[in-house]
Amino acid sequence: KAGVTQTPRYLIKTRGQQVTLSCSPISGHRSVSWYQQTPGQGLQFLFEYFSETQRNKGNFPGRFSGRQFSNSRSEMNVSTLELGDSALYLCASSPGSGETQYFGPGTRLLVL
Amino acid sequence: GESVGLHLPTLSVQEGDNSIINCAYSNSASDYFIWYKQESGKGPQFIIDIRSNMDKRQGQRVTVLLNKTVKHLSLQIAATQPGDSAVYFCAENNQGGKLIFGQGTELSVKP
Repeated sequence: KAGVTQTPRYLIKTRGQQVTLSCSPISGHRSVSWYQQTPGQGLQFLFEYFSETQRNKGNFPGRFSGRQFSNSRSEMNVSTLELGDSALYLCASSPGSGETQYFGPGTRLLVL
Repeated sequence: GESVGLHLPTLSVQEGDNSIINCAYSNSASDYFIWYKQESGKGPQFIIDIRSNMDKRQGQRVTVLLNKTVKHLSLQIAATQPGDSAVYFCAENNQGGKLIFGQGTELSVKP
């Protein structure tokens, strides 16, 4: 099976802009979780989607949002970008909520 | 945030030696634990997992030990190889798809 794919792999934006990141889960997986990874804060949970519904949400401001489509593909959006949003954004998929998560390669976002 | 990553502990071992990476988890209600390996420029790669009804689980060259009394998790790698050099994260789960990650340990294998 193909692994989790994320697009784009690299992105440069300026403050105030918005960005949309995409994640395609492993075939048959219905749960998608998103994480932010930074050197200072490590890996932090953003949110989880299962069957097109947000199941869990981390401690991030409302500028961070996401959605899931009927084919389980997911997108996350960050509006009004800040310098501190520069990070590696990781997507992970699992067959169901609470099961083993498999990660994609991530999207590295740089905000200037 | 719930994951602190200000300073990454480092473990340096000789090729062929056994490695032990430790992790303290935070929530006594967590019932599922996972170890991930992350190489530079890549996403975390699943290594091994364990449920709270077990205290030991073995895989290929890896063993995970769980001590619920002191909320401690360890990963043992047998006959460590240069390809094992990476950052290793433990993660705990108690809420569906939400994983809480430890700060990570950088493993360096000297040939």
